[in-house]
Amino acid sequence: QKEVEQDPGPLSVPEGAIVSLNCTYSNSAFQYFMWYRQYSRKGPELLMYTYSSGNKEDGRFTAQVDKSSKYISLFIRDSQPSDSATYLCAMGKGSSNTGKLIFGQGTTLQVKP
Amino acid sequence: GAGVSQTPSNKVTEKGKYVELRCDPISGHTALYWYRQSLGQGPEFLIYFQGTGAADDSGLPNDRFFAVRPEGSVSTLKIQRTERGDSAVYLCASRTSENTGELFFGEGSRLTVL
Repeated sequence: QKEVEQDPGPLSVPEGAIVSLNCTYSNSAFQYFMWYRQYSRKGPELLMYTYSSGNKEDGRFTAQVDKSSKYISLFIRDSQPSDSATYLCAMGKGSSNTGKLIFGQGTTLQVKP
Repeated sequence: GAGVSQTPSNKVTEKGKYVELRCDPISGHTALYWYRQSLGQGPEFLIYFQGTGAADDSGLPNDRFFAVRPEGSVSTLKIQRTERGDSAVYLCASRTSENTGELFFGEGSRLTVL
Protein backbone atom coordinates (compact mmCIF):
# COMPACT_ATOMS: atom_id res chain seq x y z
CA GLN A 1 0.00 0.00 0.00
CA LYS A 2 1.30 3.43 -0.94
CA GLU A 3 1.77 6.00 1.82
CA VAL A 4 -0.25 8.54 -0.17
CA GLU A 5 -3.21 7.57 -2.34
CA GLN A 6 -4.67 9.85 -5.00
CA ASP A 7 -7.24 9.00 -7.66
CA PRO A 8 -5.51 9.57 -11.02
CA GLY A 9 -8.73 10.48 -12.83
CA PRO A 10 -8.97 11.84 -15.44
CA LEU A 11 -11.55 14.31 -14.22
CA SER A 12 -13.47 16.35 -16.78
CA VAL A 13 -15.71 19.25 -15.76
CA PRO A 14 -17.41 22.17 -17.53
CA GLU A 15 -16.08 25.67 -17.09
CA GLY A 16 -17.40 27.28 -13.92
CA ALA A 17 -17.80 24.01 -12.03
CA ILE A 18 -16.52 23.40 -8.52
CA VAL A 19 -13.76 20.81 -8.51
CA SER A 20 -12.88 18.59 -5.57
CA LEU A 21 -9.55 16.76 -5.49
CA ASN A 22 -8.60 14.42 -2.69
CA CYS A 23 -5.78 12.42 -1.16
CA THR A 24 -5.63 9.96 1.69
CA TYR A 25 -2.56 8.94 3.61
CA SER A 26 -1.71 6.20 6.03
CA ASN A 27 1.18 7.55 8.11
CA SER A 28 0.36 9.89 10.98
CA ALA A 29 3.95 11.18 10.83
CA PHE A 30 2.92 13.47 7.97
CA GLN A 31 2.67 16.95 9.43
CA TYR A 32 2.63 19.34 6.49
CA PHE A 33 0.63 19.16 3.33
CA MET A 34 0.86 20.76 -0.08
CA TRP A 35 -0.88 20.88 -3.40
CA TYR A 36 1.11 21.31 -6.59
CA ARG A 37 -0.11 21.97 -10.12
CA GLN A 38 1.80 20.51 -13.05
CA TYR A 39 1.17 21.47 -16.66
CA SER A 40 2.20 19.06 -19.38
CA ARG A 41 5.98 18.81 -19.78
CA LYS A 42 6.55 21.37 -17.00
CA GLY A 43 7.75 21.11 -13.43
CA PRO A 44 5.28 21.16 -10.52
CA GLU A 45 4.43 24.55 -9.03
CA LEU A 46 3.21 25.09 -5.50
CA LEU A 47 -0.44 26.07 -5.09
CA MET A 48 -1.18 25.64 -1.41
CA TYR A 49 0.73 24.77 1.75
CA THR A 50 -0.87 23.90 5.09
CA TYR A 51 0.54 22.67 8.35
CA SER A 52 -2.48 22.14 10.56
CA SER A 53 -5.94 20.67 10.26
CA GLY A 54 -8.58 23.01 8.93
CA ASN A 55 -9.13 25.13 5.85
CA LYS A 56 -6.90 27.56 4.01
CA GLU A 57 -8.22 29.75 1.23
CA ASP A 58 -6.35 31.54 -1.56
CA GLY A 59 -8.51 33.10 -4.24
CA ARG A 60 -10.46 30.35 -6.02
CA PHE A 61 -8.54 27.62 -4.20
CA THR A 62 -9.30 26.11 -0.77
CA ALA A 63 -7.15 23.46 0.87
CA GLN A 64 -8.63 21.33 3.59
CA VAL A 65 -6.77 19.02 5.97
CA ASP A 66 -8.36 16.48 8.31
CA LYS A 67 -5.56 14.82 10.24
CA SER A 68 -7.93 12.65 12.26
CA SER A 69 -9.21 11.04 9.05
CA LYS A 70 -5.85 11.30 7.24
CA TYR A 71 -7.57 13.04 4.36
CA ILE A 72 -6.77 16.22 2.46
CA SER A 73 -8.71 18.04 -0.23
CA LEU A 74 -8.31 20.83 -2.71
CA PHE A 75 -11.36 22.71 -3.94
CA ILE A 76 -11.31 24.88 -7.04
CA ARG A 77 -14.21 27.30 -7.46
CA ASP A 78 -15.33 28.75 -10.78
CA SER A 79 -12.96 26.45 -12.66
CA GLN A 80 -11.35 27.81 -15.82
CA PRO A 81 -9.89 26.06 -18.89
CA SER A 82 -6.49 27.33 -17.71
CA ASP A 83 -6.90 25.13 -14.61
CA SER A 84 -6.54 22.06 -16.86
CA ALA A 85 -3.45 20.32 -15.47
CA THR A 86 -2.35 17.52 -13.19
CA TYR A 87 -2.80 18.23 -9.49
CA LEU A 88 -0.41 16.55 -7.08
CA CYS A 89 -0.80 16.32 -3.35
CA ALA A 90 2.43 16.18 -1.39
CA MET A 91 3.25 15.59 2.24
CA GLY A 92 6.21 15.83 4.57
CA LYS A 93 7.03 14.12 7.83
CA GLY A 94 8.06 15.69 11.08
CA SER A 95 7.83 19.23 12.34
CA SER A 96 10.59 20.56 10.12
CA ASN A 97 9.82 21.10 6.45
CA THR A 98 12.96 19.63 4.92
CA GLY A 99 11.53 19.60 1.41
CA LYS A 100 11.69 15.81 1.30
CA LEU A 101 8.15 15.18 0.11
CA ILE A 102 5.99 12.18 -0.64
CA PHE A 103 3.76 12.88 -3.64
CA GLY A 104 0.48 11.34 -4.65
CA GLN A 105 0.07 9.92 -8.14
CA GLY A 106 -1.60 13.10 -9.38
CA THR A 107 -5.12 13.74 -10.69
CA THR A 108 -5.49 14.94 -14.27
CA LEU A 109 -8.13 17.65 -14.58
CA GLN A 110 -9.68 18.94 -17.79
CA VAL A 111 -11.93 21.99 -17.69
CA LYS A 112 -13.97 22.27 -20.87
CA PRO A 113 -15.04 25.70 -22.16
CA GLY B 1 18.44 32.92 -15.01
CA ALA B 2 15.14 33.45 -13.27
CA GLY B 3 14.27 29.80 -12.68
CA VAL B 4 15.82 26.39 -12.15
CA SER B 5 17.56 25.31 -15.33
CA GLN B 6 18.04 21.67 -16.27
CA THR B 7 20.04 20.22 -19.13
CA PRO B 8 19.62 18.31 -21.29
CA SER B 9 15.86 18.60 -21.63
CA ASN B 10 15.82 15.25 -23.43
CA LYS B 11 18.33 12.43 -23.41
CA VAL B 12 18.09 9.15 -25.28
CA THR B 13 20.69 6.54 -24.46
CA GLU B 14 21.30 2.85 -24.78
CA LYS B 15 21.13 0.35 -21.98
CA GLY B 16 24.44 0.15 -20.15
CA LYS B 17 25.60 3.67 -20.98
CA TYR B 18 26.59 6.41 -18.52
CA VAL B 19 24.47 9.55 -18.23
CA GLU B 20 24.91 12.93 -16.55
CA LEU B 21 22.06 15.32 -15.88
CA ARG B 22 22.75 18.90 -14.83
CA CYS B 23 20.81 21.28 -12.63
CA ASP B 24 21.47 25.00 -12.23
CA PRO B 25 19.42 26.27 -9.26
CA ILE B 26 18.03 29.72 -8.65
CA SER B 27 20.84 32.03 -7.63
CA GLY B 28 21.23 32.17 -3.87
CA HIS B 29 19.26 29.04 -3.14
CA THR B 30 21.29 26.88 -0.77
CA ALA B 31 19.08 23.78 -0.82
CA LEU B 32 18.84 21.64 -3.97
CA TYR B 33 16.69 18.56 -4.57
CA TRP B 34 16.49 15.78 -7.13
CA TYR B 35 13.22 13.94 -7.78
CA ARG B 36 12.31 11.33 -10.36
CA GLN B 37 8.90 11.18 -12.04
CA SER B 38 7.86 8.09 -13.95
CA LEU B 39 5.03 8.24 -16.47
CA GLY B 40 1.66 8.67 -14.76
CA GLN B 41 3.22 8.92 -11.30
CA GLY B 42 4.04 11.69 -8.88
CA PRO B 43 7.63 12.78 -8.28
CA GLU B 44 9.72 10.49 -6.10
CA PHE B 45 12.43 11.94 -3.83
CA LEU B 46 16.01 10.95 -4.63
CA ILE B 47 18.44 13.23 -2.76
CA TYR B 48 18.85 16.72 -1.40
CA PHE B 49 21.81 18.98 -0.75
CA GLN B 50 22.29 21.73 1.75
CA GLY B 51 25.25 23.61 0.39
CA THR B 52 27.84 21.18 -0.96
CA GLY B 53 26.91 18.20 1.17
CA ALA B 54 24.18 15.63 0.64
CA ALA B 55 21.83 16.05 3.61
CA ASP B 56 19.69 13.05 2.69
CA ASP B 57 20.38 10.55 -0.11
CA SER B 58 17.95 7.91 1.10
CA GLY B 59 15.91 8.02 -2.10
CA LEU B 60 18.70 6.99 -4.46
CA PRO B 61 17.53 3.58 -5.73
CA ASN B 62 20.94 1.87 -5.86
CA ASP B 63 24.65 2.52 -6.18
CA ARG B 64 24.37 3.22 -9.92
CA PHE B 65 22.98 6.63 -8.98
CA PHE B 66 25.20 9.37 -7.62
CA ALA B 67 24.87 13.13 -7.32
CA VAL B 68 27.34 15.90 -6.59
CA ARG B 69 27.25 19.61 -5.90
CA PRO B 70 30.93 20.52 -5.54
CA GLU B 71 30.64 24.30 -5.23
CA GLY B 72 27.23 24.54 -3.62
CA SER B 73 25.49 25.73 -6.76
CA VAL B 74 25.23 23.52 -9.87
CA SER B 75 24.49 19.86 -9.26
CA THR B 76 24.99 16.82 -11.47
CA LEU B 77 23.06 13.57 -11.21
CA LYS B 78 25.10 10.68 -12.55
CA ILE B 79 23.66 7.33 -13.59
CA GLN B 80 25.98 4.44 -14.41
CA ARG B 81 25.11 1.36 -16.45
CA THR B 82 21.66 2.68 -17.31
CA GLU B 83 18.72 0.30 -17.38
CA ARG B 84 15.39 0.59 -19.19
CA GLY B 85 13.70 1.08 -15.82
CA ASP B 86 15.67 4.30 -15.33
CA SER B 87 13.57 5.95 -18.04
CA ALA B 88 11.75 8.86 -16.38
CA VAL B 89 11.74 12.63 -16.01
CA TYR B 90 14.39 13.75 -13.55
CA LEU B 91 13.28 16.91 -11.77
CA CYS B 92 15.51 19.31 -9.92
CA ALA B 93 14.23 21.83 -7.39
CA SER B 94 15.81 24.48 -5.22
CA ARG B 95 14.81 26.73 -2.38
CA THR B 96 16.31 29.39 -0.18
CA SER B 97 17.36 27.15 2.71
CA GLU B 98 16.86 23.71 4.14
CA ASN B 99 13.87 24.36 6.35
CA THR B 100 11.88 27.12 4.80
CA GLY B 101 10.32 28.26 1.59
CA GLU B 102 8.70 26.54 -1.32
CA LEU B 103 10.45 24.26 -3.74
CA PHE B 104 10.92 25.74 -7.20
CA PHE B 105 11.09 22.98 -9.79
CA GLY B 106 12.79 22.98 -13.14
CA GLU B 107 11.14 21.54 -16.23
CA GLY B 108 13.05 18.30 -15.89
CA SER B 109 15.35 16.15 -17.97
CA ARG B 110 13.48 13.42 -19.81
CA LEU B 111 15.66 10.29 -19.93
CA THR B 112 14.85 7.43 -22.27
CA VAL B 113 16.91 4.26 -22.04
CA LEU B 114 16.53 2.02 -25.08
